[in-house]
Amino acid sequence: AQSVTQPDIHITVSEGASLELRCNYSYGATPYLFWYVQSPGQGLQLLLKYFSGDTLVQGIKGFEAEFKRSQSSFNLRKPSVHWSDAAEYFCAVGRISSGSARQLTFGSGTQLTVLP
Amino acid sequence: KAGVTQTPRYLIKTRGQQVTLSCSPISGHRSVSWYQQTPGQGLQFLFEYFSETQRNKGNFPGRFSGRQFSNSRSEMNVSTLELGDSALYLCASSSPGTSGGHEQFFGPGTRLTVL
Repeated sequence: AQSVTQPDIHITVSEGASLELRCNYSYGATPYLFWYVQSPGQGLQLLLKYFSGDTLVQGIKGFEAEFKRSQSSFNLRKPSVHWSDAAEYFCAVGRISSGSARQLTFGSGTQLTVLP
Repeated sequence: KAGVTQTPRYLIKTRGQQVTLSCSPISGHRSVSWYQQTPGQGLQFLFEYFSETQRNKGNFPGRFSGRQFSNSRSEMNVSTLELGDSALYLCASSSPGTSGGHEQFFGPGTRLTVL
């Protein structure tokens, strides 16, 4: 069965500081990996995704993530955090089975607080 | 292109009642998935529909059901509501078979409160 672990429940950084959110996954095949962001009372917005190819992927809002197969990790990074980045971040692994059935398994999320 | 829409946005019900939530996917998307989000259990997959057929189902009791119409709109139904069904219900659409078909786009959710 697939699973996702986000070891940090809550992270606090100062505005302008760099950010790294950790994500480890367990999956029996080549994973489809995603990072989503959720602001209070809102749905999920896709930040970036990894399907294949270049292991460093760029997303929206200046985020990037690196897929490391040997470490089963897909950490999210941003060089300089803005106050508007305060939100909850979810890592997810997608199971794409026969017939293109889809199911995302999410981590428990990391709440990001940005200090002025 | 309009995003995924969900109605209603907020709902209050009492135990034992039933509820129907609606989801309209992005135009052209034929796959609709439903997720439940609670503080205790996080985000959990409920089921996925594609071309009016349920393709995949998560580990939820039979009180949770869904359907998809020919225009790809989907509804989910929860019967005999329990307090633990209070959650944010998220709908996501995708377009299998296309280059970006593995991406799921989420709606704003329906906040269900069971009293």
